[in-house]
Amino acid sequence: EDKVVQSPLSLVVHEGDTVTLNCSYEVTNFRSLLWYKQEKKAPTFLFMLTSSGIEKKSGRLSSILDKKELFSILNITATQTGDSAIYLCAVTHIFGTGTRLKVLA
Amino acid sequence: NAGVTQTPKFQVLKTGQSMTLQCAQDMNHNSMYWYRQDPGMGLRLIYYSASEGTTDKGEVPNGYNVSRLNKREFSLRLESAAPSQTSVYFCASTFAYEQYFGPGTRLTVT
Repeated sequence: EDKVVQSPLSLVVHEGDTVTLNCSYEVTNFRSLLWYKQEKKAPTFLFMLTSSGIEKKSGRLSSILDKKELFSILNITATQTGDSAIYLCAVTHIFGTGTRLKVLA
Repeated sequence: NAGVTQTPKFQVLKTGQSMTLQCAQDMNHNSMYWYRQDPGMGLRLIYYSASEGTTDKGEVPNGYNVSRLNKREFSLRLESAAPSQTSVYFCASTFAYEQYFGPGTRLTVT
C-alpha cells in the first residue's frame, strides 16, 4: 500500500530557530514529491522535487530529495511567526498527515 | 483568473440528506481531484478525474459519487449524508504534478 509518512507530527520553536521537517514515502510509480504550506485554508505550493540531490530554495526555505532512501526534508532557517502552519508532503496524490509547526515570538 | 472555486463554503446537513459540492477551475487543467481533510488525517483522496469524461476512485470513495461535467467542472455528491462525512472538502486541479486547491467546503452532518 502506498504511503507517505511525515515527522515530527508537531513542533514548537522560537523565532530565529532552524527547523527540519521529514517526509518518507513508499509509493509505486514515483513521479514527483511536493511540499505544501497550509495556514487557515487551502494548501499552497512550496516545492516540487523530481531528482535526487538537487536542492530547491526559496528564501529561507529549502528542500532536497533522496530517491534512493525514499525521503525528503524541508528546512526553514531563521524561522518567523509567519511560518506557523501545517506543512504537507505529497507524492502524486498521496499526502502525509502533515507537520504542525508553531513559531513563538 | 479565479483559479479553483468551490461552493458552498459551509454546509450543515442532517443525516440522510443529500447534497452536491461544486468545483470549477479556469486554468484549462485536465486533471481534477476531490479530497477530504480530517484532523490528524492529512488529505485523503476521494475521487479523481484524469481528463474530461473519466473518473476513478481514490482512497476513500464510499458514500460519494462524482461527475466530470466538462473540462472545467467536477462535482462531488453525497447521496445520503452520514456524521462520518463531517469534514473539510477540497477540490484541486493539476498542472505538471503541482496541485492547485480551492478554498474548501466545511461540511457538518448532524
